[in-house]
Amino acid sequence: QKEVEQDPGPLSVPEGAIVSLNCTYSNSAFQYFMWYRQYSRKGPELLMYTYSSGNKEDGRFTAQVDKSSKYISLFIRDSQPSDSATYLCAMSSNDYKLSFGAGTTVTVRA
Amino acid sequence: DTGVSQNPRHKITKRGQNVTFRCDPISEHNRLYWYRQTLGQGPEFLTYFQNEAQLEKSRLLSDRFSAERPKGSFSTLEIQRTEQGDSAMYLCASSLALYEQYFGPGTRLTVT
Repeated sequence: QKEVEQDPGPLSVPEGAIVSLNCTYSNSAFQYFMWYRQYSRKGPELLMYTYSSGNKEDGRFTAQVDKSSKYISLFIRDSQPSDSATYLCAMSSNDYKLSFGAGTTVTVRA
Repeated sequence: DTGVSQNPRHKITKRGQNVTFRCDPISEHNRLYWYRQTLGQGPEFLTYFQNEAQLEKSRLLSDRFSAERPKGSFSTLEIQRTEQGDSAMYLCASSLALYEQYFGPGTRLTVT
């Protein structure tokens, strides 16, 4: 079993819809949680990070962490075609090694 | 452009050849990381530098792999005697804060 599980999708939504992404993890030592966006053949781009359980909002993006359930989520409101990408969750128990999910491919249809 | 840069962007090599990749981190970042990503998977941690010191190496980094960061600035990743299984995207990241790692565009390696 992988440390971080993420449904690869693909996920296809109409423009303006809410995109819901999630990851589960098994390592209870994970303390830092990140979401990255990766366009095809590009490097991952840091979207959001959080340390504790709860919600964090940044513009159209909301990240949720539930440490008791070992479950994290990312919501994208008012989705746009430019949001079409692969979204990677990542987490860490220390200050250097990130453990990534496999990524969920999202397509927002105009 | 003040982001992480990597060169070359693409490398095609024959099995058994040596290859070297370069990463230039964001200038004030003292931490530098190498990851490897294969198709349909998330990046996997390879190694980590704080300044010029290599502090951690993954078991994925076999003896054929070596990484350096002379003077705590740019870093190089060398793969000796390449194998087809080495074909992947090699990503470099840098950070100043503990967990805000910023990635470069990657070097795509194809071993034929």
